[in-house]
Amino acid sequence: GAGVSQSPSNKVTEKGKDVELRCDPISGHTALYWYRQSLGQGLEFLIYFQGNSAPDKSGLPSDRFSAERTGGSVSTLTIQRTQQEDSAVYLCASSLGETTAYEQYFGPGTRLTVT
Amino acid sequence: KNQVEQSPQSLIILEGKNCTLQCNYTVSPFSNLRWYKQDTGRGPVSLTIMTFSENTKSNGRYTATLDADTKQSSLHITASQLSDSASYICVVRRTGFQKLVFGTGTRLLVSP
Repeated sequence: GAGVSQSPSNKVTEKGKDVELRCDPISGHTALYWYRQSLGQGLEFLIYFQGNSAPDKSGLPSDRFSAERTGGSVSTLTIQRTQQEDSAVYLCASSLGETTAYEQYFGPGTRLTVT
Repeated sequence: KNQVEQSPQSLIILEGKNCTLQCNYTVSPFSNLRWYKQDTGRGPVSLTIMTFSENTKSNGRYTATLDADTKQSSLHITASQLSDSASYICVVRRTGFQKLVFGTGTRLLVSP
């Protein structure tokens, strides 16, 4: 079946502009995660959605970052007033649920470049 | 502090040779450890998962080991192929927590 998909695959934007990144999780997966991967750094947790529960936003680096998940499926990560330090690959992952044994399946990522 | 450290940072080996990647963690309480392979421009893909009671697990040419006492894991790649060129990421989950703790990865290049 289809895996996690993300769009766009690449995004170049000017400093100060807003961007929206989209994630389509695997059908039936109730948990969805957003991560950021900067050059030479490990994956950094941003936000986690599980079913209808309130999302865990503890990893969002600033109030410029926000995310929504509509209908328990598609998610959008929004970065307002982008800064050059926001340049990174943004990865989305989904899993069947919150049980620790469930594997997270990753999308291909969106490479964001802020000029 | 919950951390995962990997070594080496990068590695170049000849096709057909074996190699071993290391992962040390200070994550507690420990739930499980996964090794992921990340090809350039793609998301990470899980190779193995190991729980506290498991010492060794194989997936084709990949063999992972876990020493829960010393908090060390290794990933051994046998008879390397060009397609093994990728970043290998060690990821540890804490019991009761949804957030994973990621290592910074080992970048492996298999040359012909």
